[in-house]
Amino acid sequence: GQNIDQPTEMTATEGAIVQINCTYQTSGFNGLFWYQQHAGEAPTFLSYNVLDGLEEKGRFSSFLSRSKGYSYLLLKELQMKDSASYLCAVLTGGGNKLTFGTGTQLKVEL
Amino acid sequence: DTAVSQTPKYLVTQMGNDKSIKCEQNLGHDTMYWYKQDSKKFLKIMFSYNNKELIINETVPNRFSPKSPDKAHLNLHINSLELGDSAVYFCASSHLLGRGGGETQYFGPGTRLLVL
Repeated sequence: GQNIDQPTEMTATEGAIVQINCTYQTSGFNGLFWYQQHAGEAPTFLSYNVLDGLEEKGRFSSFLSRSKGYSYLLLKELQMKDSASYLCAVLTGGGNKLTFGTGTQLKVEL
Repeated sequence: DTAVSQTPKYLVTQMGNDKSIKCEQNLGHDTMYWYKQDSKKFLKIMFSYNNKELIINETVPNRFSPKSPDKAHLNLHINSLELGDSAVYFCASSHLLGRGGGETQYFGPGTRLLVL
């Protein structure tokens, strides 16, 4: 079976740094994705990791440890517009099956 | 605009009716998907088509029938709608696995279905 865990909610202050963790246990692994979803909108792609290590993209970075079944998304210099749900998803199988976690609702406060 | 588009954006209907949702992508992808996002915001794969061929079929009632007339279109037909079908349905597209990250899935804007 597939199991992907993320915290349900997090709160952080504008300008700060926040780390959203994701742990997974899946049958097979072809990569891990992070998506951002604002209320009432579609998920939008943030990052992709398939090898261990850190991928940096502007204010957002994502880390993967395949041996630990663990990833995190790091958001720096938080802005109010970063308030959204952040979805961790694991790609498995030959059919591009993407299994999502339940998402972490991030609230950025002044 | 290059994107994944869906119609309609909102769909309100009575129990027992049959309805369809359409999806089109002009990203040149060969694989398309339908996802359901429930009231708790959990996003779950329903179907996937690669070049008009069904490759993922999760445990979904057979009242749901996807149809792919070509690789740029994937429609979802739902028969005998039930209250529990109320959700947001997202279409997505990507290349198939093996393109080193090119399998990133891009989502349409969603169709908000409310069954009364």
